[in-house]
Amino acid sequence: QKEVEQNSGPLSVPEGAIASLNCTYSDRVSQSFFWYRQYSGKSPELIMSIYSNGDKEDGRFTAQLNKASQYVSLLIRDSQPSDSATYLCAVTLNSGGYQKVTFGTGTKLQVIP
Amino acid sequence: DGGITQSPKYLFRKEGQNVTLSCEQNLNHDAMYWYRQDPGQGLRLIYYSQIVNDFQKGDIAEGYSVSREKKESFPLTVTSAQKNPTAFYLCASTGTGGTNYGYTFGSGTRLTVV
Repeated sequence: QKEVEQNSGPLSVPEGAIASLNCTYSDRVSQSFFWYRQYSGKSPELIMSIYSNGDKEDGRFTAQLNKASQYVSLLIRDSQPSDSATYLCAVTLNSGGYQKVTFGTGTKLQVIP
Repeated sequence: DGGITQSPKYLFRKEGQNVTLSCEQNLNHDAMYWYRQDPGQGLRLIYYSQIVNDFQKGDIAEGYSVSREKKESFPLTVTSAQKNPTAFYLCASTGTGGTNYGYTFGSGTRLTVV
């Protein structure tokens, strides 16, 4: 089982719709959770972080964390063509005094005008 | 503006050649990291450094070497021992709080073996 799993996609949504991206992780003691956006040929950019159960909203983005079910999701409201990118989920946990970060392989999102 | 500068953007390596990728940050971050990204795979950690003059191997350190002589700089050398070096290389840093607050990434170096 992969430590952090994401559906590779592509996930296609029409412009203006809600895009829902999901991520599951295997280690129950994971502490911090992140979503990065990566445009084709570019480096990842941190867009959301979440640390406790529930929802965290930032503009059109909402991150949702459920530690009991070991999943974290990202909702993008009013999706725009400029949101088309690969979204990477990352999870942090303490490992021998070092905070190890594990990335998923990413979900490609396509927003259709 | 504060950030991480990676150079060069594109690099071509001949068989048996060592090449060095540059990473410089002016964020005053203590910790720096090197990741490798291959198509269809998640980012994989090569090396990391939490303080000057100290660094640790990550998950795929074989065939790579690093140094951390200055807080601002963390160069990565891809040696001839790395048999499949073609990839997108990303340098990252973290400030106070370490990885709990996420990474700042550089713009990356795309390395190709010719």
